[in-house]
Amino acid sequence: SQKIEQNSEALNIQEGKTATLTCNYTNYSPAYLQWYRQDPGRGPVFLLLIRENEKEKRKERLKVTFDTTLKQSLFHITASQPADSATYLCALDSNYQLIWGAGTKLIIKP
Amino acid sequence: EPEVTQTPSHQVTQMGQEVILRCVPISNHLYFYWYRQILGQKVEFLVSFYNNEISEKSEIFDDQFSVERPDGSNFTLKIRSTKLEDSAMYFCASSVVGGAGEKLFFGSGTQLSVL
Repeated sequence: SQKIEQNSEALNIQEGKTATLTCNYTNYSPAYLQWYRQDPGRGPVFLLLIRENEKEKRKERLKVTFDTTLKQSLFHITASQPADSATYLCALDSNYQLIWGAGTKLIIKP
Repeated sequence: EPEVTQTPSHQVTQMGQEVILRCVPISNHLYFYWYRQILGQKVEFLVSFYNNEISEKSEIFDDQFSVERPDGSNFTLKIRSTKLEDSAMYFCASSVVGGAGEKLFFGSGTQLSVL
């Protein structure tokens, strides 16, 4: 079955730097891959969706890449701010459902 | 901005009791979902619902669980006889259309504690 791996250790980044988070999957390449942000005690909030035929997607300070050869998606936040501190989840389609990674906690230090 | 609302925010119940978790999806959305997240663990899909019937469900969604859209706005998840392992945050979500290529809008969740 499809497995998703995200770095379970918290990522500490200095304010103003670029944060890069990784999402790896193990089996077939999904048609879609999504990234969400989750704050403590809150529901996930949609950020970006990338399709299997897209290499890169951008939205303001956010950028997502999708490498089906490496079975990996990278999520970048440029010019990071303390308000970007949260857990970031990747999710991909599997049998008409979304399956989720465990998320990476990002801490942006002022 | 329209949002998915869930009530209650916290629910404490005794093992074996029935609970109903309520959700009001975004008004023009057609697909509704329930997910759960056990503390410190991954978000897990439970069920999707479209046109007044279940479209997909996971192995977690056994006979103890049911969903209903009792009127034009509410979407409920019922757990008939709660177990300790049902303790989790339950999230309702909705989307304009279905399919894994659609972004989901989540509510703030109901924290269910089974004692």
